[in-house]
Amino acid sequence: EDQVTQSPEALRLQEGESSSLNCSYTVSGLRGLFWYRQDPGKGPEFLFTLYSAGEEKEKERLKATLTKKESFLHITAPKPEDSATYLCAVQEADYGQNFVFGPGTRLSVLP
Amino acid sequence: EAQVTQNPRYLITVTGKKLTVTCSQNMNHEYMSWYRQDPGLGLRQIYYSMNVEVTDKGDVPEGYKVSRKEKRNFPLILESPSPNQTSLYFCASSPGHTNEKLFFGSGTQLSVL
Repeated sequence: EDQVTQSPEALRLQEGESSSLNCSYTVSGLRGLFWYRQDPGKGPEFLFTLYSAGEEKEKERLKATLTKKESFLHITAPKPEDSATYLCAVQEADYGQNFVFGPGTRLSVLP
Repeated sequence: EAQVTQNPRYLITVTGKKLTVTCSQNMNHEYMSWYRQDPGLGLRQIYYSMNVEVTDKGDVPEGYKVSRKEKRNFPLILESPSPNQTSLYFCASSPGHTNEKLFFGSGTQLSVL
């Protein structure tokens, strides 16, 4: 069964304290791995798509990386406005347009 | 503005009373989908639609119905809601090609008493 897990479940950082979030997946063939940000009371917003092992994408203080078994979302010098829940999702080859989402990591950045 | 619109934002109902949550997108997207989000379980897909009149079950379809009569609309119907359907619901859409990101609505918080 396809699975997507994320760790840690929750993370509290001081402003400026860099860290990483993990997304581990087991699918028979990865078509794409997606990262989304979700603010309280809102729908998820797209951040990145990664397609193959070794690929990296960056946006402001965020950098996403991908290996054959997992993806990391690195947060460099975070600010309070980076506080949110970060979701990863995988799209499997031969599974059409559908996605399997992980449970998310709830990030709090304290000033 | 490109968006996915869900209504209502909040809904409290009683067991067995039929309800519909509407979803509309203005991006001419082919693919639309419904998810429910529960603490610790993440987003789970209920139903999806690849195009008009084409719908299929996701991972948790029991107790739900959908229809896709027009490209822009994808309503979620609970014919006889039960308390275990209390959840946060999201509608999402995408152009329909693989590797295309999803655009989400703002969510509907449903409570079934």
